[in-house]
Amino acid sequence: EVQLVESGGGLVQPGRSLKLSCAASGFTFSNYYMAWVRQAPKKGLEWVATISTSGSRTYYPDSVKGRFTISRDNAKSSLYLQMNSLKSEDTATYYCARLITTTAYYFDYWGQGVMVTVSS
Amino acid sequence: DIQMTQTPSSMPASLGERVTISCRASQGISNYLNWYQQKPDGTIKPLIYYTSNLQSGVPSRFSGSGSGTDYSLTISSLEPEDFAMYYCQQYDSSPWTFGGGTKLELK
Repeated sequence: EVQLVESGGGLVQPGRSLKLSCAASGFTFSNYYMAWVRQAPKKGLEWVATISTSGSRTYYPDSVKGRFTISRDNAKSSLYLQMNSLKSEDTATYYCARLITTTAYYFDYWGQGVMVTVSS
Repeated sequence: DIQMTQTPSSMPASLGERVTISCRASQGISNYLNWYQQKPDGTIKPLIYYTSNLQSGVPSRFSGSGSGTDYSLTISSLEPEDFAMYYCQQYDSSPWTFGGGTKLELK
């Protein structure tokens, strides 16, 4: 059974940093692109970052580019999101998701999410 | 960025009813359109990928269609577990963007 379990969320002050982790199990982690998607309170979904199987390629929207860094450790089946220079608008639940890149591009498994609150 | 507009934002419906949710892109997206369901506890799962392909394990009462800028998700006969939020998502160009969501509520 595929499982994605996020951790590392919490309350952080504006301008500070936080690192999220996602522990994957139930599949060969190194064979899949992975991503982070977030959801601000009472809002819709927003794609945050994607990483290739080896980690050599990463992709971000402008809203987080230069502040967030996605990475992975295939030996540990783990995905990470380093978030720097946090802003109040980064407050959201962050989901780790597995990305299918064969038949189409879509997120086929999602974690339960971890809450990040940016506030002084 | 491609803007995705879902209508309606909320939809009261009854068990057994046929419902359709619409999603319009601000420019053509060549059928690169997915649909997701989010339950009240936050659980998210894919329903339809590449406009009309049913994700494994998803009941056949769900279907998707569309082309160009206009897409839709149809549920042929509502079951109790279908009352949830629904999001469309385009992957034609970066950044991938989602619609604002449609809340399917019990009438």
